[in-house]
Amino acid sequence: EPEVTQTPSHQVTQMGQEVILRCVPISNHLYFYWYRQILGQKVEFLVSFYNNEISEKSEIFDDQFSVERPDGSNFTLKIRSTKLEDSAMYFCASSKRGGNQPQHFGDGTRLSIL
Amino acid sequence: AQSVTQPDIHITVSEGASLELRCNYSYGATPYLFWYVQSPGQGLQLLLKYFSGDTLVQGIKGFEAEFKRSQSSFNLRKPSVHWSDAAEYFCAVGPRGSGYALNFGKGTSLLVTP
Repeated sequence: EPEVTQTPSHQVTQMGQEVILRCVPISNHLYFYWYRQILGQKVEFLVSFYNNEISEKSEIFDDQFSVERPDGSNFTLKIRSTKLEDSAMYFCASSKRGGNQPQHFGDGTRLSIL
Repeated sequence: AQSVTQPDIHITVSEGASLELRCNYSYGATPYLFWYVQSPGQGLQLLLKYFSGDTLVQGIKGFEAEFKRSQSSFNLRKPSVHWSDAAEYFCAVGPRGSGYALNFGKGTSLLVTP
């Protein structure tokens, strides 16, 4: 069964550095998402992306964050000038369409900011 | 404000016993409803979804959930739990109409005892 893949599984970065998290969504899916889960807290929506532009973003997704689909297969989340509070598990998801189509999640990237 | 509540943080059941995990939501209109499971070190796997129609929905791994509009609930059930069902379970809702962000509950951690 096709799945969403995320790399790396664990990323350790110094505070203030830039980090790029990578995702390969399911190939025939058109909508892409990033979520994060701070340790001990709920999974929170960051951003959705469709047709090469952001379709929706949360309050968390400020100017520090950006997303990109650099080619036909990858979907990336960039965090500029990381902060300690950015430490979390970041999940990528994709769906065939928006709305009632279920989102399929990757295994996540654990981001640790030192 | 829109919210998803999973009242039980931890639940312990004996193997072979029945299981019910609770989920309540507060939304302006009936949202799309999902249950996801997260095993340690894994991503979020979709168990089942409700969009419309029959209020009792069947999912994978022998799980089912019942939508009750009058109670704003979408409880997950399994008649006989297996040790491999030990995991974190998340209820999630998505808005009808515009927007695709899933709003997750805080999760219920299931422990299965021999």
